[in-house]
Amino acid sequence: DAGVIQSPRHEVTEMGQEVTLRCKPISGHDYLFWYRQTMMRGLELLIYFNNNVPIDDSGMPEDRFSAKMPNASFSTLKIQPSEPRDSAVYFCASSLGGQGIRNTEAFFGQGTRLTVV
Amino acid sequence: ILNVEQSPQSLHVQEGDSTNFTCSFPSSNFYALHWYRWETAKSPEALFVMTLNGDEKKKGRISATLNTKEGYSYLYIKGSQPEDSATYLCAFRRYSTLTFGKGTMLLVSP
Repeated sequence: DAGVIQSPRHEVTEMGQEVTLRCKPISGHDYLFWYRQTMMRGLELLIYFNNNVPIDDSGMPEDRFSAKMPNASFSTLKIQPSEPRDSAVYFCASSLGGQGIRNTEAFFGQGTRLTVV
Repeated sequence: ILNVEQSPQSLHVQEGDSTNFTCSFPSSNFYALHWYRWETAKSPEALFVMTLNGDEKKKGRISATLNTKEGYSYLYIKGSQPEDSATYLCAFRRYSTLTFGKGTMLLVSP
């Protein structure tokens, strides 16, 4: 398996533009997580899905952020409109759930470095 | 809000030194404690997953211990090498989610 795949790796956009980040989880994983990495806050959980259903989006900073998972192999994180303070590295991770969840590690993608100017 | 604290924030050691970091986490409703190694420009990679009080895990020169009753875990690196330079993250699992600490950034000089 190729692991968790994120695109794009880097994104530079102007303030006010819409940004869409993409993630393909590991096949067979039923949990998908979106994290944001900043110097100030470290790695923050934004939202996670179980079997394509959003379970907890309490970490989403505001209404400008939205995430979808239309099927088991694809998820998007959208920011509209983007602002300079959204600049960060956004990571997607996936894991197995169910009975083995205690022992299950999360596998991370390479991240998308977003810069909003 | 779950509080996962790591100390120190950063550490600079010489090649051959042994070192250790601390992760503290809530002691209630414990599922698992994860340690990740994160190199710059790469994705975090899992080192250990620990679930039982008193657990000790070892991978080469790196080992970890777990105390779930008091809510802490130690990561040890014996004889640090420059390739050990990375950020070491711990993550507390309660139910489905992983809550990460801010990490300890380790720099090992030759």
